[in-house]
Amino acid sequence: DQQVKQNSPSLSVQEGRISILNCDYTNSMFDYFLWYKKYPAEGPTFLISISSIKDKNEDGRFTVFLNKSAKHLSLHIVPSQPGDSAVYFCAALKQGGSEKLVFGKGTKLTVNP
Amino acid sequence: KAGVTQTPRYLIKTRGQQVTLSCSPISGHRSVSWYQQTPGQGLQFLFEYFSETQRNKGNFPGRFSGRQFSNSRSEMNVSTLELGDSALYLCASSLVRNTDTQYFGPGTRLTVL
Repeated sequence: DQQVKQNSPSLSVQEGRISILNCDYTNSMFDYFLWYKKYPAEGPTFLISISSIKDKNEDGRFTVFLNKSAKHLSLHIVPSQPGDSAVYFCAALKQGGSEKLVFGKGTKLTVNP
Repeated sequence: KAGVTQTPRYLIKTRGQQVTLSCSPISGHRSVSWYQQTPGQGLQFLFEYFSETQRNKGNFPGRFSGRQFSNSRSEMNVSTLELGDSALYLCASSLVRNTDTQYFGPGTRLTVL
């Protein structure tokens, strides 16, 4: 079963606008969440993370929001740039547990100039 | 400092053969994890090694195995290859724990004919 779901396989936005990537999880034991970005022919690169004790974490143009009651997190990119075009993976784990990172299937973001 | 390196980058094998993939982690990193990426399943955790011991394991058949050497370098082996094993195999290293930020290599693209 898919414990981490990214229901939008792709997203297209205009340069300068906001990109919102969504992620849902089913396992309420997850308490740490991460976003990775992947360009073609490269490995994923860590972007930003959030612990379940927070509901928001910000790093420059990237902000992750966590809604624990809805088991939902989102990544906001403002403003979006063409260089942000990549596949974005959401991942989750339970700290101190099996410590296996569980990934979603990814969302391909295209930022049009 | 140098990133995670994986060799070879591309590999073509036929069904029934076996294959060995290699991963050199970032200097000082002691945890090495392996992932399989396919279009249909996204990134799936294979296993994690730390101090030459397998610490965590995903839900893959016993044909998938690995090991870690004293210098933290890791190898992954797949025996009796099947068509469905065609995928991008990614290695990630982290300082100590799988929950530390993971740094991914570029991956090995395996094609099974």
